[in-house]
Amino acid sequence: AQSVTQPDIHITVSEGASLELRCNYSYGATPYLFWYVQSPGQGLQLLLKYFSGDTLVQGIKGFEAEFKRSQSSFNLRKPSVHWSDAAEYFCATSDSWGKLQFGAGTQVVVTP
Amino acid sequence: GAGVSQTPSNKVTEKGKYVELRCDPISGHTALYWYRQSLGQGPEFLIYFQGTGAADDSGLPNDRFFAVRPEGSVSTLKIQRTERGDSAVYLCASSWDPPNSPLHFGNGTRLTVT
Repeated sequence: AQSVTQPDIHITVSEGASLELRCNYSYGATPYLFWYVQSPGQGLQLLLKYFSGDTLVQGIKGFEAEFKRSQSSFNLRKPSVHWSDAAEYFCATSDSWGKLQFGAGTQVVVTP
Repeated sequence: GAGVSQTPSNKVTEKGKYVELRCDPISGHTALYWYRQSLGQGPEFLIYFQGTGAADDSGLPNDRFFAVRPEGSVSTLKIQRTERGDSAVYLCASSWDPPNSPLHFGNGTRLTVT
């Protein structure tokens, strides 16, 4: 069965600093992998996805993620965070029906 | 364009009552999903519709939960004999070609059972 682990429940980062959020997956075949962001009072928004091909994936809002099969990881990165990046971030994997399995999420706090 | 619409945005009900939560997907999206998100957790899958039929209802926690999509568009999640543990945000998402096209999520219905 597919599963996703996000080891960090909470991360605090200074505005302008780099950010990396960790995600590990467990899946038998080549996984469909996603990162979503959830801001207070707003719905889940897709940042980026990986299905196959280039293992470095570019997304919206300046985010990128790298798929590493050897480490079963799909970490999310941003070189320089903005105050508006404060939100909860979810890594997810999907089966072929599009059914998403989410991690527990990482809460990102951005300090001035 | 209109996104996924969920009504009501908030619902407070007493333990033991029946509730219905509505989801209006994006027009033309044949796939529809319901998720439940408890405080401090990621969304958990409940049920998936392809057209009018429930293709996968493995996430429904028990027989108090039921969902329908009679015309392949609007869906209703129905909860009988609500319990305090049912309190959560219920999310709906739709897609036209999953998993190739992304799931679009609504803002959710916050259900509180007192």
